[in-house]
Amino acid sequence: DSGVTQTPKHLITATGQRVTLRCSPRSGDLSVYWYQQSLDQGLQFLIQYYNGEERAKGNILERFSAQQFPDLHSELNLSSLELGDSALYFCASSVAGGGVEQYFGPGTRLTVT
Amino acid sequence: DAKTTQPTSMDCAEGRAANLPCNHSTISGNEYVYWYRQIHSQGPQYIIHGLKNNETNEMASLIITEDRKSSTLILPHATLRDTAVYYCIVRPTYSGAGSYQLTFGKGTKLSVIP
Repeated sequence: DSGVTQTPKHLITATGQRVTLRCSPRSGDLSVYWYQQSLDQGLQFLIQYYNGEERAKGNILERFSAQQFPDLHSELNLSSLELGDSALYFCASSVAGGGVEQYFGPGTRLTVT
Repeated sequence: DAKTTQPTSMDCAEGRAANLPCNHSTISGNEYVYWYRQIHSQGPQYIIHGLKNNETNEMASLIITEDRKSSTLILPHATLRDTAVYYCIVRPTYSGAGSYQLTFGKGTKLSVIP
């Protein structure tokens, strides 16, 4: 158990819909990272927040957005969903902005039908 | 970030040492070598990291060549639970600014055989 929690574990929704994925980092970790893992693209970095502020963006679509709240939990919002958005979404946390170790949550499996 | 090259797959007999190679010939002086693994769709798990000296922890050993262009992750006594995809990643050392996300390649799928 990494100490990072993600909800929900599974999500099935239709094309065009909007969903919110939630992540609670390990106690004391200030940085949260979001990654997407699909069969054809592998594990890809989406976005990072550090202590409530956006730190870096990766291959994140404009239809996706995220935020980190004062209690340090983070949400990833996915809108206008397409079939290709079906993937595993992982959240990771680290102590600082560039923590040596990133601790990954169990992931949310999103299926878009 | 420097790119890494790893074999697509490897087999290892249970109880034997698993030696997973990684080539990172363009690594910069301020870049560490990290190893993570992912067991069947679970979240990736940190294993070990190093700069230029060999490192050992309770999970594995990391051997980095003197020119730092390649490294080997060693699982001393592989078990069935070590079956996973192993990722070798290079990343700059933390300097207080910027972002330090992990860039995953395709990794090596290690199968531990009974």
